[in-house]
Amino acid sequence: EVQLVQSGAEVKKPGESLKISCKGSGYSFTSYWIGWVRQMPGKGLEWMGIIYPGDSDTRYSPSFQGQVTISADKSISTAYLQWSSLKASDTAMYYCARRPGDWGNFDYWGQGTLVTVSS
Amino acid sequence: DIQMTQSPSSLSASVGDRVTITCRASQSISSYLNWYQQKPGKAPKLLIYAASSLQSGVPSRFSGSGSGTDFTLTISSLQPEDFATYYCQQSYSTLDTFGQGTKLEIK
Repeated sequence: EVQLVQSGAEVKKPGESLKISCKGSGYSFTSYWIGWVRQMPGKGLEWMGIIYPGDSDTRYSPSFQGQVTISADKSISTAYLQWSSLKASDTAMYYCARRPGDWGNFDYWGQGTLVTVSS
Repeated sequence: DIQMTQSPSSLSASVGDRVTITCRASQSISSYLNWYQQKPGKAPKLLIYAASSLQSGVPSRFSGSGSGTDFTLTISSLQPEDFATYYCQQSYSTLDTFGQGTKLEIK
């Protein structure tokens, strides 16, 4: 069974750093892109970027380039999303999702990680 | 960036109704269009990929059509569990984008 399991909710202060994770199982982790999607409170889905764990090829939405870093450790089938200095506007639910190569859809999703940034 | 515009933004309908949601791309995206359903507090769920292919396990009352710039998601006979928010996603370019969402509510 394909599963993506994300790390738990985080509460942080502005300026702090954070790294959240997404562990894949039940499939060949290195053969599928993993994407990250932001959903701010009460808002829609925003495509942040994707990574191919096989070779760490990474693409970012212009809106998120330079704001976050996407990485992966294929030895433990885990993708990451990290911030070096959080802002209150980073408060959101973050989802990881698997992306098969052919049509770019996200077929399996993690349960989401809620990040709250507040002083 | 390719912009995706969904309409309507919200929609009220009754159980048994036929409902259509549209998604328009700012440039041609061939058939690289996917549809998702999201219920409150849950992760999105893939319904349709490649504009018209039904994802495994999704009821056949859901269908998708279109190519180029104009796409539709149709629910042939609304069921109580279909009241949710629906998003389109273009995956034509290297950098995907989602539509703003359509909230489907009970009339």
